[in-house]
Amino acid sequence: AQSVSQHNHHVILSEAASLELGCNYSYGGTVNLFWYVQYPGQHLQLLLKYFSGDPLVKGIKGFEAEFIKSKFSFNLRKPSVQWSDTAEYFCAVNALYYNTDKLIFGTGTRLQVFP
Amino acid sequence: DVKVTQSSRYLVKRTGEKVFLECVQDMDHENMFWYRQDPGLGLRLIYFSYDVKMKEKGDIPEGYSVSREKKERFSLILESASTNQTSMYLCASSSRTTEQYFGPGTRLTVT
Repeated sequence: AQSVSQHNHHVILSEAASLELGCNYSYGGTVNLFWYVQYPGQHLQLLLKYFSGDPLVKGIKGFEAEFIKSKFSFNLRKPSVQWSDTAEYFCAVNALYYNTDKLIFGTGTRLQVFP
Repeated sequence: DVKVTQSSRYLVKRTGEKVFLECVQDMDHENMFWYRQDPGLGLRLIYFSYDVKMKEKGDIPEGYSVSREKKERFSLILESASTNQTSMYLCASSSRTTEQYFGPGTRLTVT
């Protein structure tokens, strides 16, 4: 069965620190990849997505992610976090072989940024 | 802007009650989804629909049913609510092979 692993459950950083959140998936075929963010009290919103092309994807608010096919990974990065980045981050995968638009989500990473 | 709305932000129901959660999207999306979100478990798919009157079970359909009579509306039904269905319920919609857009969620408490 497909699965998505987010190894960091809770990350605590100071402002200006660099961030990398891990995401690994289990499916070996063609995939679409997503990172969603949920700010406190708000709905989930798309941070960035990868469908094809350049494996380094840039998203909103200075976030980027790199798709490494050989490692089945899609890690999220930000060079310098801000207090406003405090949120929960979810990685999600759509395995295209199954010809369905379902997403498989990871369990999420809670990020706390202190001033 | 895509808008996905859910009928209630907070709902409190008693064990055994029938519960209806409504979701409406305004972007003519083919796909609609219902998830539940629980701490430490992420989002788990309950049901989804890829067309009017079409539905497919997700990963945790037990105790739930759905209805999609119109393209813009997708309802989640708890036939007989139980305390283990206390959760945050999220609705989402998408076109084919695009990202999903989420509603604000309904926090359901079953007592």
